[in-house]
Parts: sequence; structure tokens; C-alpha cells
Amino acid sequence: SAVISQKPSRDICQRGTSLTIQCQVDSQVTMMFWYRQQPGQSLTLIATANQGSEATYESGFVIDKFPISRPNLTFSTLTVSNMSPEDSSIYLCSLRLGQDYGYTFGSGTRLTVV
Amino acid sequence: KQEVTQIPAALSVPEGENLVLNCSFTDSAIYNLQWFRQDPGKGLTSLLLIQSSQREQTSGRLNASLDKSSGRSTLYIAASQPGDSATYLCAVGPSSNTGKLIFGQGTTLQVKP
Repeated sequence: SAVISQKPSRDICQRGTSLTIQCQVDSQVTMMFWYRQQPGQSLTLIATANQGSEATYESGFVIDKFPISRPNLTFSTLTVSNMSPEDSSIYLCSLRLGQDYGYTFGSGTRLTVV
Repeated sequence: KQEVTQIPAALSVPEGENLVLNCSFTDSAIYNLQWFRQDPGKGLTSLLLIQSSQREQTSGRLNASLDKSSGRSTLYIAASQPGDSATYLCAVGPSSNTGKLIFGQGTTLQVKP
């Protein structure tokens, strides 16, 4: 299975600022996924990030708010832009090595916006 | 639209008990189903993956079953320990296999010493 290193593990940010979350993988993977988990809620997919193409965003999420980069097959970033307290959540990246494999998740970034 | 429900939302048991967590889904056309564990404020740890053609998977004290026709999966934990205390999440992979997992709300388990 792949190992994901996600940074930062947590941060407290001022409203109106932006935070970039990084995920580094020890294997080359075509697709990576970014999820949000709001307090007391389950996980919701933000977008799917393919290397070499624009990310595909789920309904309710837009590129201006959550820009994603995927410069190579082992790395991706998610930026939370112009933050408000409503963005306080755990953000997680995820991948799978193939169609018949399970999903592996990063350790999560716990974001608090004040 | 696929919906995943987990019952109960919370469970507290004494150490040593065997217990069952339930997951139900509305659309039986799934590719696979995966059980995860999440500790407070942390990421997800994969426990078991069941492909749509399989009926169950086992790992140590954990056993997960899948009944696609009835839209149900159960996670059985044998001889529970305080270290099993966590939130358990069920996630369904759609038959289109697009990579989008649909998660249940989770069951928060507390095992008391």
C-alpha cells in the first residue's frame, strides 16, 4: 500500500488568509482525491486531481475557493482561499493504487479559522 | 443518489464484548465497500475492503460482511478492547468506479476498561 505524508497536521489561521495543504506520496498514482470533514460530520469529496489536467470539482466546490495543483504523480496541494470560520474542518487527501485496491488517506489537516 | 447510513451513531460497551456495527446503502450497484477507523482529529485508517463479488473479509478480530441485494454491510469486532475506541466509517464505491467514495456518518465506539 502507498504511504501519504500530509502537511501541516493542524493550523490556526486568520479569516481572509489562505492555507496550502500538501500531500506527498511514496508511489506514483494517477488520481488523488481531496475531502473535507466538517465538525461532527462525515467526509465530503471536494475534487479529484489528475496529473497534467485540471482538477474536477464536486457540486458546491469551486476552483477559486479550493485551487488544486498536481505537478507530478507523487504530489498534490490543496489551497483553502480567503478563509472564513465556516472553512474550519479537517481536510484529507486520498488515493488508491488501482481499481481493485482500497483507498488510502493522509493523516489529515485540522484547520481552525478565527 | 447513493445514501449510506450507519447505525448506531454511538455505542458504549464494556471491554471483552463482541459487537456489530451496521451500514446500509440505498443503491445496490456498488463496486466495493470499505470500512475505516478514525481517531479524534486524525485521518482514516483502512480496516477492510470488500469487493462487490465478495461476501466477507476478515482481519484479526475484525470481520466485515456484505449483502449487496439487501444493501447492507456489518462490521463485527470480537473481544473488544479499550484501544478499539474510535469512530468507524463505512464508505461505498459506486459501480461507475469513478473514485468517489460515499461515506456514512460513522459509529463512535467507546470500549470501557
